[in-house]
Amino acid sequence: NAGVTQTPKFRILKIGQSMTLQCTQDMNHNYMYWYRQDPGMGLKLIYYSVGAGITDKGEVPNGYNVSRSTTEDFPLRLELAAPSQTSVYFCASSKQGRNTEAFFGQGTRLTVV
Amino acid sequence: AQTVTQSQPEMSVQEAETVTLSCTYDTSESDYYLFWYKQPPSRQMILVIRQEAYKQQNATENRFSVNFQKAAKSFSLKISDSQLGDAAMYFCAYRSYSGSARQLTFGSGTQLTVLP
Repeated sequence: NAGVTQTPKFRILKIGQSMTLQCTQDMNHNYMYWYRQDPGMGLKLIYYSVGAGITDKGEVPNGYNVSRSTTEDFPLRLELAAPSQTSVYFCASSKQGRNTEAFFGQGTRLTVV
Repeated sequence: AQTVTQSQPEMSVQEAETVTLSCTYDTSESDYYLFWYKQPPSRQMILVIRQEAYKQQNATENRFSVNFQKAAKSFSLKISDSQLGDAAMYFCAYRSYSGSARQLTFGSGTQLTVLP
């Protein structure tokens, strides 16, 4: 059981470049999330999805886009990379229901230079 | 909006001793969940313990226990018999009972060092 898988684990981007962070889960979870973690800080919600075809903004959505065409996949797109997007990105998923645990991927460390 | 505050950026403890990490939160809701996550250098987020706000009994998981004070909006984590493997960043997190997203709101974390 792979859980939540993120790729790549590390990436260096130049300012203005674009990239997609991949996230897939094999637990048939309805809910999926993207968080970013800046140095010395907690995780902040970028976008979330409550099911295929449904996405919504979180606390810090500017500069990002997401899509959810299938239950399993929830990619995060950076269109014009900026130094402020240097961070560690986490994808997470959870089942529908109240008493459910969030499962996290291992994170992607992104550096924009 | 809910906020979570961890006022101890760093803590240290001697191996086999006990340490308590503090967390306070602000919410107008009466039903919610609280969590402690551990993040070792591998970056993996590991759930340590969770507490449902409607339960008065404090949650325990082996050497980990919480002191949940709902009126004071306080949720501290106690680690007993500390081990070298407990060294990590610890995050307190809040999740609402209601709403569609079920997202977590995190504190800024406490870096725990375990001294041999």
